[in-house]
Amino acid sequence: ETGVTQSPTHLIKTRGQQVTLRCSSQSGHNTVSWYQQALGQGPQFIFQYYREEENGRGNFPPRFSGLQFPNYSSELNVNALELDDSALYLCASSQISGNYEQYFGPGTRLTVT
Amino acid sequence: ILNVEQSPQSLHVQEGDSTNFTCSFPSSNFYALHWYRWETAKSPEALFVMTLNGDEKKKGRISATLNTKEGYSYLYIKGSQPEDSATYLCALGRDKLIFGTGTRLQVFP
Repeated sequence: ETGVTQSPTHLIKTRGQQVTLRCSSQSGHNTVSWYQQALGQGPQFIFQYYREEENGRGNFPPRFSGLQFPNYSSELNVNALELDDSALYLCASSQISGNYEQYFGPGTRLTVT
Repeated sequence: ILNVEQSPQSLHVQEGDSTNFTCSFPSSNFYALHWYRWETAKSPEALFVMTLNGDEKKKGRISATLNTKEGYSYLYIKGSQPEDSATYLCALGRDKLIFGTGTRLQVFP
């Protein structure tokens, strides 16, 4: 069984630009959740995707959007980047009817200058 | 807004010492409490998912207890080893997790 992978590992963007982060879920998992970890904080829930639709959202503005594909992989898109968007972005996959366990990828480190 | 708190923020122990951390959370609307171990530059690793009051779980030298009525969970590490050095996160919820800020453990040989 393959684990959760994320790409790229890190990237640097300029304020106002747009960015797309990618996540491949663990084999057999149908749900992907995205989290943002800013410096000194715990990960914060951004949104979750199930059956290619958003299935819950945290306190993040609409410029944070996502997609889930038929193979359950997912993208996180952030438009009009702000300096405060600099963070580690984690995705986690799970089985929605499973035992609540979520499996995380290693994250993408985004720096906005 | 639910708040999950962890203490201490960081901990330095000698190899062989036993240690424990605390995760505190609101006791209402409880679904599950998760513990993760997170080494630098790696993926957070799931340690335990606990759902029932009084749950006790064990994995090798690491164990955890849960008290949902008073809103806390303890994580214990017996005989700490340098490879236990990591950040230990707890999170509340079924799948849209609310995380604490973590306890950073450093074990010195």
